Amino acid sequence: QKEVEQDPGPLSVPEGAIVSLNCTYSNSAFQYFMWYRQYSRKGPELLMYTYSSGNKEDGRFTAQVDKSSKYISLFIRDSQPSDSATYLCATHSGGSNYKLTFGKGTLLTVNP
Amino acid sequence: DTAVSQTPKYLVTQMGNDKSIKCEQNLGHDTMYWYKQDSKKFLKIMFSYNNKELIINETVPNRFSPKSPDKAHLNLHINSLELGDSAVYFCASSQSIDRAKLFFGSGTQLSVL
Repeated sequence: QKEVEQDPGPLSVPEGAIVSLNCTYSNSAFQYFMWYRQYSRKGPELLMYTYSSGNKEDGRFTAQVDKSSKYISLFIRDSQPSDSATYLCATHSGGSNYKLTFGKGTLLTVNP
Repeated sequence: DTAVSQTPKYLVTQMGNDKSIKCEQNLGHDTMYWYKQDSKKFLKIMFSYNNKELIINETVPNRFSPKSPDKAHLNLHINSLELGDSAVYFCASSQSIDRAKLFFGSGTQLSVL
């Protein structure tokens, strides 16, 4: 089993839809959870960053972590065509561990 | 003013050749990374340097050799290129106290013919 599993999609939604992106992970040592957004032919950029369980909201984006079920979610409200990108979840265990473990990414297309 | 810049953006070369990719960051970060993204978008770490010291060396063929002349620069040299080396290579940087927050370059698309 891979350490971080993510449905690669692709996911296509109409503008204004609520989008739900999800990952599961297997290593209970993971403490830090990130979502990166990657536009075509660009490097990933950090979108959301949470520590341990709980929710974090930033504008139209909400990141949710449920450590009991090892489940990570990203919700996008009122999705826009500019949200069309690949979304990668990532985790790491903190401490002296410098290595982020990424999911394979979900390709999202928001249609106008 | 680009935060993490890597050159070249595209690299097309023949099997067996040796090539280098250069990376520079102007963010004042102390940790730099090389990631490889394959055709299925899977992003995997290869190497990491903290203050010029190698701290992560994943299971990568020894044809790949990173070099960090200073904290702001991390280069990747690849010997005897193979078809399977074709991928996008990303340089990234972070502060060691906040290593979840990676700043990526725009990538180098390597195509080995």
